[in-house]
Amino acid sequence: DGGITQSPKYLFRKEGQNVTLSCEQNLNHDAMYWYRQDPGQGLRLIYYSQIVNDFQKGDIAEGYSVSREKKESFPLTVTSAQKNPTAFYLCATTPYSPGFYGYTFGSGTRLTVV
Amino acid sequence: AQTVTQSQPEMSVQEAETVTLSCTYDTSESDYYLFWYKQPPSRQMILVIRQEAYKQQNATENRFSVNFQKAAKSFSLKISDSQLGDAAMYFCAYRRGETSGSRLTFGEGTQLTVNP
Repeated sequence: DGGITQSPKYLFRKEGQNVTLSCEQNLNHDAMYWYRQDPGQGLRLIYYSQIVNDFQKGDIAEGYSVSREKKESFPLTVTSAQKNPTAFYLCATTPYSPGFYGYTFGSGTRLTVV
Repeated sequence: AQTVTQSQPEMSVQEAETVTLSCTYDTSESDYYLFWYKQPPSRQMILVIRQEAYKQQNATENRFSVNFQKAAKSFSLKISDSQLGDAAMYFCAYRRGETSGSRLTFGEGTQLTVNP
């Protein structure tokens, strides 16, 4: 079955530590996205990539970095520069072609600073 | 920049009754798509219904329907015969139409409670 796999489901980070969240898809979708979800604030876009080896900043990119070395993978690194990283992180994909597509979402990663 | 506003942080409905969730958006584009997503306690995002802006006919998916008012930039979701499993956070979302790879912009969400 095609789908999106986010791992780990829960992640704990110490102050000053970088951590990487994984997002892998086998849907053959071109575009991939990272969103952050905080209570009462909906989903905010961190980074997105529409093709391999290219990505753009979203609305809240500070303190985050990404790479897109292959179509199937779009890992997100939360760096020590992100001052308030505790949140729920969602990865999503969509085909990059004209059409009436929504997103397919992963099941998310809950990141907590300890 | 496009914005999406959901003015009802919380709503409640009795089982088997009908409830309407509101959504307004701001855009200067003429070609765009609108979506409603459901996020149950599992936090998995599920697509409920979608609407193409150039279509005047309101989309319907079983018990879910929308009232799309393009001039008013309004996109409300009606849930008929509410069920306990409808309890979730609901997000309205907007996407520009020129490519499907363009970003989705979400509203803040409406938490729906279904009372037995």
